[in-house]
Amino acid sequence: TQLLEQSPQFLSIQEGENLTVYCNSSSVFSSLQWYRQEPGEGPVLLVTVVTGGEVKKLKRLTFQFGDARKDSSLHITAAQPGDTGLYLCAGDSGGGADGLTFGKGTHLIIQP
Amino acid sequence: NAGVMQNPRHLVRRRGQEARLRCSPMKGHSHVYWYRQLPEEGLKFMVYLQKENIIDESGMPKERFSAEFPKEGPSILRIQQVVRGDSAAYFCASSRQQHTEAFFGQGTRLTVV
Repeated sequence: TQLLEQSPQFLSIQEGENLTVYCNSSSVFSSLQWYRQEPGEGPVLLVTVVTGGEVKKLKRLTFQFGDARKDSSLHITAAQPGDTGLYLCAGDSGGGADGLTFGKGTHLIIQP
Repeated sequence: NAGVMQNPRHLVRRRGQEARLRCSPMKGHSHVYWYRQLPEEGLKFMVYLQKENIIDESGMPKERFSAEFPKEGPSILRIQQVVRGDSAAYFCASSRQQHTEAFFGQGTRLTVV
């Protein structure tokens, strides 16, 4: 069974600070997706990383896929209250299993 | 989320009743996935369908749960004889092709009383 461990589970910081959240697994994934989910809503896709070592930037968000394609990180620079939400990583095995494997998420709160 | 439509958004059922959850994928998407999210748990894959075919139902309970994606109309997740443990948020996602980016709907919150 493939597992994705996300850390930290909860993070509360002040506006303007930087932060990094992690997504780790012992399994290799063909791609990894990051989503943000707000209460009462569905996950919204932020980015997909495919190549080991790949780095993608989305404004103040920087996503990195590990060289071995087993882990990923999300770094937010100068966090803003609008960044508050649940951040989920999801791995695609690309093989026989046809659904995404999700981590439990990081609950992020940015205080003004 | 734009494009994947789920209804109803909220559904309340008494124990023993049937629940029907509907999902219309994004335009041009023929691959549909259903996930269940319990409080403080991650999303768990249930079933993957293409038009008129169930491709992978390994995450779906063997009893009481069924899914379909007919040639015409939305995908349906059906839960028969619901129990309190079925209370959860059920999300549908669609993709253009297998193993490509999946986009989620807003979910159906099922409450069994």
